[in-house]
Amino acid sequence: KAGVTQTPRYLIKTRGQQVTLSCSPISGHRSVSWYQQTPGQGLQFLFEYFSETQRNKGNFPGRFSGRQFSNSRSEMNVSTLELGDSALYLCASSPLGDGTPVGQYFGPGTRLTVT
Amino acid sequence: QQQVKQSPQSLIVQKGGISIINCAYENTAFDYFPWYQQFPGKGPALLIAIRPDVSEKKEGRFTISFNKSAKQFSLHIMDSQPGDSATYFCAAMISNFGNEKLTFGTGTRLTIIP
Repeated sequence: KAGVTQTPRYLIKTRGQQVTLSCSPISGHRSVSWYQQTPGQGLQFLFEYFSETQRNKGNFPGRFSGRQFSNSRSEMNVSTLELGDSALYLCASSPLGDGTPVGQYFGPGTRLTVT
Repeated sequence: QQQVKQSPQSLIVQKGGISIINCAYENTAFDYFPWYQQFPGKGPALLIAIRPDVSEKKEGRFTISFNKSAKQFSLHIMDSQPGDSATYFCAAMISNFGNEKLTFGTGTRLTIIP
């Protein structure tokens, strides 16, 4: 079974621009979560989607948004980029999403650099 | 507020030795505790996980010990190998319906020396 895939793997953007990152979960996985990883703040939860609905959101400004499609693929968008948004953005998928913890499986991440 | 505290920040262990990483949590509602391994340039990989109804879980060379009363859990890597050199993260989650949010520790960079 193919793992979680994320595109693009690397991205360089300028302050003020916006960016869209894509995630394809493991086949059959219905829950998709997004995390931001930085050296200073570590791994922080952004949001989680299940059946095209955002079920949970972390403490990030409204510039960070996402969506999930009917095939469980997900995108996240960051508008008006700031230098501090430079990070590794990780997508994780989970098979059930019904409260039974069976683990989240991470993709390789998208490395976003804001200049 | 850091809900999951992880120590040490870095660890150097001789090949064949035991690596021990500790985590402590504050929120007693957490009921699922996974450990992740991350190599440079890769995403975190699920290593092993435990629920608080057991005190220990072992998978190969990896063991989680869990102390519910102390709100602490730890990862033990037996017979540590150079290939185990990576960053390890503990995490915690409240596994009720509608919540797949993982709260991570700050990570431990493990180096296994020959």
